[in-house]
Amino acid sequence: AQKITQTQPGMFVQEKEAVTLDCTYDTSDQSYGLFWYKQPSSGEMIFLIYQGSYDEQNATEGRYSLNFQKARKSANLVISASQLGDSAMYFCAMREPGRDMRFGAGTRLTVKP
Amino acid sequence: DGGITQSPKYLFRKEGQNVTLSCEQNLNHDAMYWYRQDPGQGLRLIYYSQIVNDFQKGDIAEGYSVSREKKESFPLTVTSAQKNPTAFYLCASRETSGSLRGTDTQYFGPGTRLTVL
Repeated sequence: AQKITQTQPGMFVQEKEAVTLDCTYDTSDQSYGLFWYKQPSSGEMIFLIYQGSYDEQNATEGRYSLNFQKARKSANLVISASQLGDSAMYFCAMREPGRDMRFGAGTRLTVKP
Repeated sequence: DGGITQSPKYLFRKEGQNVTLSCEQNLNHDAMYWYRQDPGQGLRLIYYSQIVNDFQKGDIAEGYSVSREKKESFPLTVTSAQKNPTAFYLCASRETSGSLRGTDTQYFGPGTRLTVL
């Protein structure tokens, strides 16, 4: 069964605007970690942000924030003030205790000048 | 600087040849991973290792082999049994201190692009 779902294969955003990339997940564990990675055209996977299932506040890292809605099993990534360098593939991932990290299919974000 | 290195960046293989992809980390991480990524696709787990001298198959281990003789190193061999090896290969590592809660962040190397001629 698919554990991580990213329903947006591609997204476009105007430079300097905010964009939300969707991610839903499926787990029966109470403790788990949610992660977002950026993959530019060079191929390297760059860690962006982490949210623990027990964290009461949404995670933020600079222009990145995670809109965590535990009851809906949703962990959307919000990028504020988009820049041209934000154009890349973005992957949502989840780790359950004692298990390997599982990745979504990714969303390709294109920032328009 | 701490990090994960992979070499070579590009690799070309003739059909029937075995090739080995290198992955080294100086982060003192216990666990290491190999993923395969096909164009426009997500990551699929090939092999992983939680500790030296031990490793487990992932979702697509057929045609691949690994070793973990040192904590820092986790080389991947793509054998001739792998029918369609052309892909992008990513190595990753993580600590395991938070493994019971699922909180460990996983870090990736720059990747190796393998092409079969």
